[in-house]
Amino acid sequence: AQKVTQAQTEISVVEKEDVTLDCVYETRDTTYYLFWYKQPPSGELVFLIRRNSFDEQNEISGRYSWNFQKSTSSFNFTITASQVVDSAVYFCALSEAWGNNRLAFGKGNQVVVIP
Amino acid sequence: GAVVSQHPSRVICKSGTSVKIECRSLDFQATTMFWYRQFPKQSLMLMATSNEGSKATYEQGVEKDKFLINHASLTLSTLTVTSAHPEDSSFYICSARGPVLAISETQYFGPGTRLLVL
Repeated sequence: AQKVTQAQTEISVVEKEDVTLDCVYETRDTTYYLFWYKQPPSGELVFLIRRNSFDEQNEISGRYSWNFQKSTSSFNFTITASQVVDSAVYFCALSEAWGNNRLAFGKGNQVVVIP
Repeated sequence: GAVVSQHPSRVICKSGTSVKIECRSLDFQATTMFWYRQFPKQSLMLMATSNEGSKATYEQGVEKDKFLINHASLTLSTLTVTSAHPEDSSFYICSARGPVLAISETQYFGPGTRLLVL
């Protein structure tokens, strides 16, 4: 069975601080995909990144960066110089590589950026 | 690209009535669509997976006669909540996955539908 753990439920930071969201996953598959989605107060899930299990390169996109470490089954997400617009719930998710690619979601991290 | 729409965005209905929610992939063909339910301050719970032209696969504990899913075309899936009751009040979100390799491993989500049953 696939499982995603996001231990921190709510994180508050002051604007311009960095914030790191931890994601630990469990799977028996050797090939899988990891995702991060952002859910702002409006409710829509916004796709941020997909990483396949064979690609352990870290990635940076603007103020967002991701650290994938297969050895520790972690796929952490860092927001640098946070802004009020970053306030949202962030979900880490894992999907199987074959079949219907069903997603297993973590419980989410509520990020509150204080101006 | 990879835009998914949902309609309606918000619906209020009386107990006992049925409500239909539409999910459309606007700029790609979705071979697979998913329906989720989300309670306040909780994660998404997968209700069912639907493949175009075949019957939906429901997750354990989800009543298929209660939540009717129809994936009639490559761009449209519908979820009908039959004989709705107050406990069905929730945020329903659909997602779509395309056949094209570049987007087939990623689910793109609609904006969600808030259902309130009185």
